[in-house]
Amino acid sequence: GAGVSQSPRYKVTKRGQDVALRCDPISGHVSLYWYRQALGQGPEFLTYFNYEAQQDKSGLPNDRFSAERPEGSISTLTIQRTEQRDSAMYRCASSPQPDRGDLTGELFFGEGSRLTVL
Amino acid sequence: QKEVEQNSGPLSVPEGAIASLNCTYSDRGSQSFFWYRQYSGKSPELIMFIYSNGDKEDGRFTAQLNKASQYVSLLIRDSQPSDSATYLCAVRGAQKLVFGQGTRLTINP
Repeated sequence: GAGVSQSPRYKVTKRGQDVALRCDPISGHVSLYWYRQALGQGPEFLTYFNYEAQQDKSGLPNDRFSAERPEGSISTLTIQRTEQRDSAMYRCASSPQPDRGDLTGELFFGEGSRLTVL
Repeated sequence: QKEVEQNSGPLSVPEGAIASLNCTYSDRGSQSFFWYRQYSGKSPELIMFIYSNGDKEDGRFTAQLNKASQYVSLLIRDSQPSDSATYLCAVRGAQKLVFGQGTRLTINP
C-alpha cells in the first residue's frame, strides 16, 4: 500500500499478556517513530529509528516496552505483561529522511493500533 | 511545565471568520515547528511547518513563530465547517518531536 500500515488495528488482551504491534512504513522511508495517544490528548513520543538504529527511546514508559526495526523497514513495538494503563492508541509514523536532531519534514502517520487491556 | 502547551478548547468560530490557535513551548533550542490537523477518529496530517521567525502563509493558513517568546500560532482565514478538527502543535526539540495536547476547533455554519 501507499501509506503507513499498522496491525492489528484493534487488539484486546488480558492483563499480564504480551502484545506485539507491527508497523510497515512507506516504502523507502528512513525514519520511523512510535507514539501513544490517549483519548483527547496529543501523541506522546515513545521512540524512533533511523534505518535500523534506535536513536531515542527516552519516551518508553518502562522496561516492559521495547521496539525493534531489525532490517530498517518493518518495526515491532512489544509490550510485556500488559497492564490496564497501557490501553491507548499506538501510532506509527515514518519520514523519508533520517532524523538527526533536525527534523524538517513531514511525518506520515498510520491509522494506529488500538490496544485495550482488560 | 509541559514541553508544548496548547489550550484544549473547544474553540468555536463562526463560518467565514478567522480562527486563531496558539501554542507555547519550553525548549529554547527548538528549531522546527509544525501544525498537524486531526479529524475525529483519524490520524494526524501535516498542515504547515515553520522554522524562521515571522509569518508563513499557505492558502487560508498562516503560521506565526516568535522564538523570543517561545510562541507559535496558526491562523485560519475564511473558516469552513470542514476545518472543524483538533489542531496539534508539534515542536522539534533536541531529541524528539513533541506534540501538544491539541486544540479542538469547531466552525459553526
